[in-house]
Amino acid sequence: EVLMVQSRAEVRKPGESLRISCKGSGYTFTSYWIAWVRQMPGKGLEWMGVIHPGDSDTKYSPSFEDQVTISVDESINTAYLQWNSLKTSDTAIYYCARNSHAFFDYWGQGTLITVSS
Amino acid sequence: EIVLTQSPGTLSLSPGERATLSCRTSQSVDSSFLGWYQQKPGQAPRLLIYGASIRANGIPNRFRGSGSGTDFTLTISRLEPDDFAVYFCHQYGPLPWTFGQGTKVEIK
Repeated sequence: EVLMVQSRAEVRKPGESLRISCKGSGYTFTSYWIAWVRQMPGKGLEWMGVIHPGDSDTKYSPSFEDQVTISVDESINTAYLQWNSLKTSDTAIYYCARNSHAFFDYWGQGTLITVSS
Repeated sequence: EIVLTQSPGTLSLSPGERATLSCRTSQSVDSSFLGWYQQKPGQAPRLLIYGASIRANGIPNRFRGSGSGTDFTLTISRLEPDDFAVYFCHQYGPLPWTFGQGTKVEIK
């Protein structure tokens, strides 16, 4: 069974750093890209970027490039999404999803990030 | 960037009725690269349709995707109570990949 399991919810202050994770299991991790998607409170879905676990090739949406860093540790089947300096506007649910031919066939449960002073 | 516009914003229907959801793209999209997702409150999105018309694993045949070019449609033939949710279209052709803003299907 394919599973994408994300790290727990986090609360941070503006300016703090954060890294959240997404662990894939039940499939060959290096065979599928992994994407990150943002959903702000009560809003729609926004594609942030995608990474290939085999060679760490990464593509970002222009809206998120320079705002976040996507990385992967192939040895533990885990992808990451990282911020160096959080803003209150980063408050959202962040989903990882497995990419199958670019559509998202399996999703993580989501990680709620709350940024508040 | 390809903009996806979904209509209507909200669809109020009764169980057993037919739902027709529209997704229009700002540029022509290869139908191989158009998908639909369902999202219920507090849950992650779920893939329904990819390649504009191919149902994902386990998706009932009351869900049908169609369309080409700039006009795509998701039809739910007879709404069941479990189908009331928000639906998003998604283009995964040219980067950046983009989503529509969603159509909420609510119980009338």
